[in-house]
Amino acid sequence: DAMVIQNPRYQVTQFGKPVTLSCSQTLNHNVMYWYQQKSSQAPKLLFHYYDKDFNNEADTPDNFQSRRPNTSFCFLDIRSPGLGDAAMYLCATSRAGAANEKLFFGSGTQLSVL
Amino acid sequence: AQTVTQSQPEMSVQEAETVTLSCTYDTSENNYYLFWYKQPPSRQMILVIRQEAYKQQNATENRFSVNFQKAAKSFSLKISDSQLGDTAMYFCAFIFPPLGGTYKYIFGTGTRLKVLA
Repeated sequence: DAMVIQNPRYQVTQFGKPVTLSCSQTLNHNVMYWYQQKSSQAPKLLFHYYDKDFNNEADTPDNFQSRRPNTSFCFLDIRSPGLGDAAMYLCATSRAGAANEKLFFGSGTQLSVL
Repeated sequence: AQTVTQSQPEMSVQEAETVTLSCTYDTSENNYYLFWYKQPPSRQMILVIRQEAYKQQNATENRFSVNFQKAAKSFSLKISDSQLGDTAMYFCAFIFPPLGGTYKYIFGTGTRLKVLA
């Protein structure tokens, strides 16, 4: 019955070694978001897709990239992780068009950078 | 700039008691929506309650209710008859019509609530 699934739950990578986080959804939602959540901070939007249209936040570092090959899947690529990229990464989805549409979140991927 | 402020990083409440979590926001928009999300330990973030800014009546969902004061830009969450399962991080969030494109949430920094047995 899971609706937004993130894999893996925990990811450990080395400084500078590329890493990919994945998110899948069974809701057929138009919009998929990636948030970065550090301890005691608000979730920070990195980028989102509206269908195939990619929308990057102005302050998202170039080190972060994303791919959405189809409606169900979305990937977050960190090309050269730094120690400051250690965080929880949350994927969320929503239906497009209505402001009061709630977000559906995955359980997150906790990224550690050694 | 749109901002959301949660001034209580941590709170605790005895089981069966009532607790209120505060949230203030800043916006120049007149039409927007406010939400409270709950993130239990190691579990998914889920919606608790939402409020449309154009509605004067405060939203209620079972034991959860809000006190929405539009002029003061305040949106507090009241949890009645607190249960152990209410232990979680609570995020206040705000959404407003975009200048084209998708609606985007702005989150507060969260309040960690612990319900004590």
